[in-house]
Amino acid sequence: DIVMTQSPDSLAVSLGERATINCKSSQSVLYSSNNKNYLAWYQQKPGQPPKLLIYWASTRESGVPDRFSGSGSGTDFTLTISSLQAEDVAVYYCQQYYSTPPLYTFGQGTKLEIK
Amino acid sequence: QLQLQESGPGLVKPSETLSLTCTVSGGSISSSSYYWGWIRQPPGKGLEWIGSIYYSGSTYYNPSLKSRVTISVDTSKNQFSLKLSSVTAADTAVYYCARVVVVTATFDYWGQGTLVTVSS
Repeated sequence: DIVMTQSPDSLAVSLGERATINCKSSQSVLYSSNNKNYLAWYQQKPGQPPKLLIYWASTRESGVPDRFSGSGSGTDFTLTISSLQAEDVAVYYCQQYYSTPPLYTFGQGTKLEIK
Repeated sequence: QLQLQESGPGLVKPSETLSLTCTVSGGSISSSSYYWGWIRQPPGKGLEWIGSIYYSGSTYYNPSLKSRVTISVDTSKNQFSLKLSSVTAADTAVYYCARVVVVTATFDYWGQGTLVTVSS
């Protein structure tokens, strides 16, 4: 089974400071056929469905503020919020895609709060 | 604007079959660029992908649920559906339907979710 492990499980950051969330996959999500990492990040606020923030590890979805950025390759990835805003309080999930057989796996989530 | 809406019973008895439908509006379910998927989230817990379907009817399922899951599509109604058999309390969750972008393998539009409780 492919396992996605996020760290930390929870995080408290002061407004305006940087927040960093890590995600590690038990298998590489880099596809040599197109050199893309099939790793995405989602934000989920209470009572709402998840919202797609980042795909291909580092490409921001349309409309997502540029304070959100993704990095990494292979098995290790990071979501960074450069300057935390109050509206960024949420649970963040990473998600990978494995093609043979098709399988989507989410990390356990990281809860981000204001310090 | 694309919208997805889940519908179905909020309470299912143990050993019975959970049935949900997702109605897609503001776009066609028959687009070649997308799959359509189901994801669930037990109360206070994380996300679990259940399975996905293409408009042609091609499906793929989470191996951990495969023996109990059936996903189908009705292109004439712009809907797709989930059936999960032999449910137990462990299947209590918010069930989401979502659009899956083929090229990026991501879920870009989600329904609001519907809570299904398994209880006698």
